[in-house]
This record gives sequence, structure tokens and C-alpha cells, in this order.
Amino acid sequence: QQQVKQSPQSLIVQKGGISIINCAYENTAFDYFPWYQQFPGKGPALLIAIRPDVSEKKEGRFTISFNKSAKQFSLHIMDSQPGDSATYFCAALARGSNYKLTFGKGTLLTVNP
Amino acid sequence: DTAVSQTPKYLVTQMGNDKSIKCEQNLGHDTMYWYKQDSKKFLKIMFSYNNKELIINETVPNRFSPKSPDKAHLNLHINSLELGDSAVYFCASSQGLMNTEAFFGQGTRLTVV
Repeated sequence: QQQVKQSPQSLIVQKGGISIINCAYENTAFDYFPWYQQFPGKGPALLIAIRPDVSEKKEGRFTISFNKSAKQFSLHIMDSQPGDSATYFCAALARGSNYKLTFGKGTLLTVNP
Repeated sequence: DTAVSQTPKYLVTQMGNDKSIKCEQNLGHDTMYWYKQDSKKFLKIMFSYNNKELIINETVPNRFSPKSPDKAHLNLHINSLELGDSAVYFCASSQGLMNTEAFFGQGTRLTVV
């Protein structure tokens, strides 16, 4: 049972464009939603995260939009750059889960120069 | 200064062998994890330790045995290796079970032939 569904599986964007990755969840106990970025040969690294008490969080070119009623959240990368080319994972963490992060299946983003 | 370091980075071994992967973190964190990333890049938690105590054991075959000699180290020993064990194994750490940022090591690519 996949608790966090992520789409698309892969995404190709031109430099300067907007990259959008979507995630959906079912478990209403989830109360923390991070995005991790992974470059080839490296471990995932926290990029940005949001809690369900806000609908949007922005850090530089990266924005998370959160829709609690729809149980969906998305990552927007503005002015996408070739250096943003990586695999992006959404994740969710439930209250009382002992930090059991549940990851989406990942999106391979390629930004063409 | 590497925050979470794993050794070895690559491990090629034959079926039936026993192998260990070592992990050390110098962040002063008290919680450590092992994650498995399969060939499709899906990340799944295997174990977590808090202050050397096993907290999460995600229905992993008992051929996998984590050992935490102290808060800074979490090793993974695998007995009787099988072809299906081939994957990238990531160690991670965080401060506390409810802390929301996990720091990942660079991964160990295990190939069983």
C-alpha cells in the first residue's frame, strides 16, 4: 500500500521554466511534509518542508503548496536551472510514528540548458 | 567534515556471503536509521535506533541485523546475502525521534552476484 503517491515519475523542463511535482496522501495523521533532493551518487538532502497549518511555504525558488482538504501538496521550482536536475522525493511523517518517514516514489527532474 | 559517513561506498559480493556496512555520524544526534533504496529509487525505512535502542524494525528479514555500539554508530550486518538484497543502503541521523530533518550518508551500493 503506497501511502504517498507522487507524480510525474519524470519531468523535463527548459531552463527558466517552472517545474511542478505533485504528491497526494491518505493518512490524516500525517502532519509534516518534507521534500528531499537527491543528486546521483549522493544521499537525499532536505530541501524544504511544510506543516498542514499553512497553505504555502517559499524558500528562494522553491515553493510548497499544501491543500489539506484535498490531501495534496506540490513542489514548484521557479526559474528552473540545470543544476536543479536531480531526483525529488516528497515524504510525510505521522504523529507518534517515531519519525517513520514515508517517501513517494520520486521524480527525476531534468532541466535542459 | 562529513556529517554522516558510510563505509564501504561500493560492495560487490557473492550470494550466501555475510557482509557489514558501517555508519558513523559526527552531528551529535541521538537517532540513526537505515534506509534501502531499490533499483527504481524507492526509499524505504528499515530500522531506526534512538540512544542505542531499536525503535523501528520494518518487517525486514532477520538476515539483516543492525547494531549500535554507541549513539554515533549504527552498523548493518547482513547474513546469507541474496540477489534481491542488491540495492543502495543509506544511513541517516536526526536529533530526537520527533526532529524533522534527517541527514543522510552518501549510500552504500551493494551488488550481490
